[in-house]
Amino acid sequence: DAGVIQSPRHEVTEMGQEVTLRCKPISGHNSLFWYRQTMMRGLELLIYFNNNVPIDDSGMPEDRFSAKMPNASFSTLKIQPSEPRDSAVYFCASSHNTGELFFGEGSRLTVL
Amino acid sequence: DQQVKQNSPSLSVQEGRISILNCDYTNSMFDYFLWYKKYPAEGPTFLISISSIKDKNEDGRFTVFLNKSAKHLSLHIVPSQPGDSAVYFCAANALNDYKLSFGAGTTVTVRA
Repeated sequence: DAGVIQSPRHEVTEMGQEVTLRCKPISGHNSLFWYRQTMMRGLELLIYFNNNVPIDDSGMPEDRFSAKMPNASFSTLKIQPSEPRDSAVYFCASSHNTGELFFGEGSRLTVL
Repeated sequence: DQQVKQNSPSLSVQEGRISILNCDYTNSMFDYFLWYKKYPAEGPTFLISISSIKDKNEDGRFTVFLNKSAKHLSLHIVPSQPGDSAVYFCAANALNDYKLSFGAGTTVTVRA
């Protein structure tokens, strides 16, 4: 079975550009999470969806960040406009209810 | 404020010896604790967990100890193997809560 699939794996962009990260959760999982990993803060939860509905977006750093989950098999995290301090690895993870989290391989974002 | 803290960013240990990773937490509502392991260019994967009703959980070479009064847990790996070289994240949540709080991670290097 395929795990959580994220794209792109790497993204290098210039400050001010729009960035869209994509995630396909494991089929049958009804919870989806976007995390950001930085050296200083480790893994921070950005947003949590349950049954495609955003439940908790308190971790989204600013209005420049937005996330959608139009259906059970797809989610996007968008940053517009991007800034150098957004450079990090962004992970998508899914689970069945509050069960074990399965992470994707991450999208490494570099904003110049 | 980080509710889960891993104060040692790195640990180097010789193959065959014991690795001890430490984690402290501040939220007294936490009652479920997990360790995740992450290799470069991969997402974190679940390693071992413990609930607050226990003070020890063992799985092969991996043992997690929980000291609730001190709000402290540790992961012991014995004997350490080169394949254990990875970043280890401590995480915690309240039972049935979707929100996992992660520490910043400890990079373990096992020397041959």
